Amino acid sequence: SQQGEEDPQALSIQEGENATMNCSYKTSINNLQWYRQNSGRGLVHLILIRSNEREKHSGRLRVTLDTSKKSSSLLITASRAADTASYFCATDAGNTGKLIFGQGTTLQVKP
Amino acid sequence: KAGVTQTPRYLIKTRGQQVTLSCSPISGHRSVSWYQQTPGQGLQFLFEYFSETQRNKGNFPGRFSGRQFSNSRSEMNVSTLELGDSALYLCASSTIPGQKETQYFGPGTRLLVL
Repeated sequence: SQQGEEDPQALSIQEGENATMNCSYKTSINNLQWYRQNSGRGLVHLILIRSNEREKHSGRLRVTLDTSKKSSSLLITASRAADTASYFCATDAGNTGKLIFGQGTTLQVKP
Repeated sequence: KAGVTQTPRYLIKTRGQQVTLSCSPISGHRSVSWYQQTPGQGLQFLFEYFSETQRNKGNFPGRFSGRQFSNSRSEMNVSTLELGDSALYLCASSTIPGQKETQYFGPGTRLLVL
């Protein structure tokens, strides 16, 4: 079963607006990762946030992690048409190589 | 560094056949994991290999198998293909096993079973 639940499932915004997507998970984690996938292609790693971190930035991306609520959010600022993709959060399952993915958020950025 | 490479990129097979997919990890990465992605089930973990040993296995039937070679390259095999095996198969590599480091994904192999 999926550990991650992502919200919303789909998001449509205009270029220049910010996009926020949320991820909730069920068990304790070592870290949480966000990935982007364009049109059923490979997953592109965006950012990893460790369980002892609360916020992390990378370019136009800002990720927060609240381990008490078992949730994370990904904020994309000043979105561009090229940001159109599906975004997935992934958590670990203990000390294994197994990533558990949410069902993803499909983001459409209209030019 | 070159990224994770997967071959072939596309594959069409018929039911009952078998298929072998290949994954070359990023240079220096010794851990390889495989995932299946379908519209209905999403991304699901198949197995993880490190130092030629399978460390973890997902909830898939025995028709799905894999191996890792001494150069860290990995292959997965699906025997007696079923229509439901149609999916995007992704492999990911990392420097070490476990979840302490980022996993980097390849472009995937899209398998269509007719």
